[in-house]
Amino acid sequence: DAKTTQPTSMDCAEGRAANLPCNHSTISGNEYVYWYRQIHSQGPQYIIHGLKNNETNEMASLIITEDRKSSTLILPHATLRDTAVYYCIVRVAGSGGSNYKLTFGKGTLLTVNP
Amino acid sequence: NAGVTQTPKFQVLKTGQSMTLQCAQDMNHEYMSWYRQDPGMGLRLIHYSVGAGITDQGEVPNGYNVSRSTTEDFPLRLLSAAPSQTSVYFCASVPQGSSGYTFGSGTRLTVV
Repeated sequence: DAKTTQPTSMDCAEGRAANLPCNHSTISGNEYVYWYRQIHSQGPQYIIHGLKNNETNEMASLIITEDRKSSTLILPHATLRDTAVYYCIVRVAGSGGSNYKLTFGKGTLLTVNP
Repeated sequence: NAGVTQTPKFQVLKTGQSMTLQCAQDMNHEYMSWYRQDPGMGLRLIHYSVGAGITDQGEVPNGYNVSRSTTEDFPLRLLSAAPSQTSVYFCASVPQGSSGYTFGSGTRLTVV
């Protein structure tokens, strides 16, 4: 799986948009970009994923650059409960055991301030 | 759906003891895996399974055994607990395809 690079920490004001970057310059054509978050030692929570196109769900938006070498997770209106470590992970999606492995880095600690 | 259920939530073991961490999912997911998380670090893969009867090693498998007799259950066995196995253990499952994983709430294990 391709490696990802994320900032160690970021701050965001409550109610503002939080934009979390991720660099995955060695991503392969069949690798998806996934975002998870982990709130205070709870189990990681899936947020969103995408291959090429931008994606949006009830939690967040995912913007992937045209060359797919980087992406941004956007939390449109951050709340205090969004304070968490956010992980950007790339993996191939499909059959085959190795395709299901998730390789976690240290992620980005997002702190939402009142 | 209960999702992924892990038991126990907390456990203290003495060095050399053995125990089994339980993981069950009710979503009929083919793929299940175990991770450990040490303080200040990301999750590391211990073992995984792509279906009943099929298991394989992850990044840090030493000292752990797994089996997958049913789709629903994927227990993790510590053979002879060591202080280095003090960690938080997470079980996760995902169906085939590109969906995101569902993680359990974790088991916090301390080996003294």
